[in-house]
Amino acid sequence: AQKITQTQPGMFVQEKEAVTLDCTYDTSDQSYGLFWYKQPSSGEMIFLIYQGSYDEQNATEGRYSLNFQKARKSANLVISASQLGDSAMYFCAMREDNQAGTALIFGKGTTLSVSS
Amino acid sequence: NAGVMQNPRHLVRRRGQEARLRCSPMKGHSHVYWYRQLPEEGLKFMVYLQKENIIDESGMPKERFSAEFPKEGPSILRIQQVVRGDSAAYFCASSPHNNQPQHFGDGTRLSIL
Repeated sequence: AQKITQTQPGMFVQEKEAVTLDCTYDTSDQSYGLFWYKQPSSGEMIFLIYQGSYDEQNATEGRYSLNFQKARKSANLVISASQLGDSAMYFCAMREDNQAGTALIFGKGTTLSVSS
Repeated sequence: NAGVMQNPRHLVRRRGQEARLRCSPMKGHSHVYWYRQLPEEGLKFMVYLQKENIIDESGMPKERFSAEFPKEGPSILRIQQVVRGDSAAYFCASSPHNNQPQHFGDGTRLSIL
């Protein structure tokens, strides 16, 4: 079974609008972390936001917020007031903390296109 | 404020040659991770190292691939006798502790002719 599922291959949004990128995860661990990364066309991976499984409040970083619904095992990324520079691929990832390696498990990504 | 430094940014090799990819973690980071990204896919974990130790290599192919993180110098991902299927982007990430967010380098794009 997929550990991280991103069901939206592509999303389109107008500048200044908000957009939600979906992510669901599957783990039996009690302690885990959820991450979002941005990959622009230039190829680098940019860390955006982190949510720990025990964090009671949703994480926020500037225009990014993570809508964490633990019972539903979802960790959607919300980008408010989209900008043209937000056009990129977005990856959701999970770290299961009881694993010695603490490797990140990535979803397949969502391509976001922002138009003017 | 140097981030994770990877070099080269692009590497071209012929089948059968060796590829060496280098990664210098962020200052103060002692945990290094290597990931591989095939075209149109997410990143897949390969190996996790701390100084002089391989902690988890569960994602490494059994043959031709090796990694090290010596006491001095960068981490090296080495691919011997490369084949076309090794063509991918290889990313290195580092963190100060194993439960902290990982910060990625810009990747090395490996192309096999």
